[in-house]
Amino acid sequence: GAVVSQHPSWVICKSGTSVKIECRSLDFQATTMFWYRQFPKQSLMLMATSNEGSKATYEQGVEKDKFLINHASLTLSTLTVTSAHPEDSSFYICSAAPDRNTEAFFGQGTRLTVV
Amino acid sequence: QKEVEQNSGPLSVPEGAIASLNCTYSDRGSQSFFWYRQYSGKSPELIMSIYSNGDKEDGRFTAQLNKASQYVSLLIRDSQPSDSATYLCAVNGNTGGFKTIFGAGTRLFVKA
Repeated sequence: GAVVSQHPSWVICKSGTSVKIECRSLDFQATTMFWYRQFPKQSLMLMATSNEGSKATYEQGVEKDKFLINHASLTLSTLTVTSAHPEDSSFYICSAAPDRNTEAFFGQGTRLTVV
Repeated sequence: QKEVEQNSGPLSVPEGAIASLNCTYSDRGSQSFFWYRQYSGKSPELIMSIYSNGDKEDGRFTAQLNKASQYVSLLIRDSQPSDSATYLCAVNGNTGGFKTIFGAGTRLFVKA
């Protein structure tokens, strides 16, 4: 199956700093990628849809100025958590699909801990 | 109404039994439906995809889709302890652009 690579797999940062997470589709082009957040024992929550060459579409309640998304190429999307705080500690997962009618493939996830 | 609804469980079945997981969705125009399995602390992995009404079998797994009822299910036959995980129903939405929406997931425990 298709491969989506996410990096880093875990990161610990100090409160107030910014963290960048990368999501790459390794063997297909993805005009659309998705970013999810998952708190312990809760479901995956879609944060935003990343569109290559245009602005991301954020879900209601997600701060676009705090979670910066850049989709500069057909194989790379980045999520930057700016001015991170302990409440931003979570499991962040990206996914991508070759097209709208196929399954999404997930990155390995990034566990962010803000101390 | 949530876009994709699942019973959160936990669903507990004995080893060797059939586990039945259910999901309903609200977007009548949805065309693509998926079941993912997620182990604690890991990313979801695809179990089944289904696109047309009826049953689709793959090994011990059978997905069932009824678009008229906006209902999709997953049956796991001969359940094994290794099947214990959270099962996520996902739907590719057709309104508001292309995006995959997940249900909250059903936790399954298979007792040895």
